[in-house]
Amino acid sequence: IVMTQSPVSLPVTPGEPASISCRSSQSLLHSNGYNYLDWYLQRPGRSPQVLIYLGSNRASGVPDRFSGSVSGTDFTLKISRVEAEDVGVYYCLQALQTPQTFGQGTKLEIK
Amino acid sequence: EVQLVESGGDLVQPGGSLRLSCAASGFTFSSYWMTWVRQAPGKGLEWVAAIRHDASQKDYGDSVKGRFTISRDNAKNSLYLEMNSLRVEDTAVYYCARGRLVVASGGRYSGLDVWGQGTTVTVSS
Repeated sequence: IVMTQSPVSLPVTPGEPASISCRSSQSLLHSNGYNYLDWYLQRPGRSPQVLIYLGSNRASGVPDRFSGSVSGTDFTLKISRVEAEDVGVYYCLQALQTPQTFGQGTKLEIK
Repeated sequence: EVQLVESGGDLVQPGGSLRLSCAASGFTFSSYWMTWVRQAPGKGLEWVAAIRHDASQKDYGDSVKGRFTISRDNAKNSLYLEMNSLRVEDTAVYYCARGRLVVASGGRYSGLDVWGQGTTVTVSS
């Protein structure tokens, strides 16, 4: 499954919203009704951390300004109000089929 | 504290072998799928391999299939990645990560919710 992520780079003013998209080459909908699509953030010099799993479920400890949505094979990560600590590279990951595949990444930077 | 600590990264010549380890603590290791993910210098994340909680299923990425072997020792709370026929393009930071929880009633998927700090593999002559 090919994951196409956009944009590659995302400059954002603090306090403003941000949106990252990921499109899968085929459905990620499991028979259990869940879309197996996650979002990860890798801050500079750090290991990745999960933000959203199964398309729209916020991981433990993740601020509620982060949200995930699904529309068919289109997935969106939204940040309602960007903060300085949100800087890093965001990746989507399809976990429906092996080999699992990551998107190419979106680098969010502060203007 | 829930923790994963990788070790075993090193400088190795092309065609060589290396074994990575991942020590787990703070959770019931034997109940979770475990995954290896790598990141080449300046590049994005690449899923490498995953192993079911009881080692009954192992899956590999296309670029490592036939050369890498994932394994685990639940008695030692440890995950391994045996890497053979190493290539320059295998140069990367290798992370282990915790995956799906498997329990008698089914299980729970919460993404790759715990990651180690990574161990660096350099393949070069």
